Amino acid sequence: GAGVSQSPSNKVTEKGKDVELRCDPISGHTALYWYRQSLGQGLEFLIYFQGNSAPDKSGLPSDRFSAERTGGSVSTLTIQRTQQEDSAVYLCASSFGTGVTGELFFGEGSRLTVL
Amino acid sequence: GENVEQHPSTLSVQEGDSAVIKCTYSDSASNYFPWYKQELGKRPQLIIDIRSNVGEKKDQRIAVTLNKTAKHFSLHITETQPEDSAVYFCAASMLSNTGKLIFGQGTTLQVKP
Repeated sequence: GAGVSQSPSNKVTEKGKDVELRCDPISGHTALYWYRQSLGQGLEFLIYFQGNSAPDKSGLPSDRFSAERTGGSVSTLTIQRTQQEDSAVYLCASSFGTGVTGELFFGEGSRLTVL
Repeated sequence: GENVEQHPSTLSVQEGDSAVIKCTYSDSASNYFPWYKQELGKRPQLIIDIRSNVGEKKDQRIAVTLNKTAKHFSLHITETQPEDSAVYFCAASMLSNTGKLIFGQGTTLQVKP
């Protein structure tokens, strides 16, 4: 597709369940980010993938959060044993890589609601 | 790591007035400073950016200034219009293959007709 694609757009789950959020970046983009945006809040950095380098996981809030990027393209953010405070919009973004141009292209986000 | 502080958190101006949003950053190695606009219910989009080799950049009604010594940068919007109402985010990173973009907390700008 022409833009960053995220799925699902909305997810409602029960506390304690695991969820997976998917991101399909723009073709050719080597950098991929996950951010979290709680209601009325800023963009909280979670994890960053750049090419074949080890991901920067410094923003993950707990070990319940993990992410992988297969084949340098699609990424999946997994949240295990979800808690109510995990409710937020999870935004994925991709770019050509900050060594070339810094512009990030964001997806529409996945809105997670934990009951 | 990098930390970006943004002020004010909310800003209300009359249509036609100017708006200024300020950010400070902590990592002196940062050399790339973009601004993103997020309209209600939409994704953030880049509106302007500046690199550390220049002190000011303009694009029509918006401009960004950078003071590397003080580690702060600002967004200036002149002749504001109702469609400028949105949340604005500043960010900082190092332009390299390892740099990651860290955002400020955002400023909600309301332009009153």
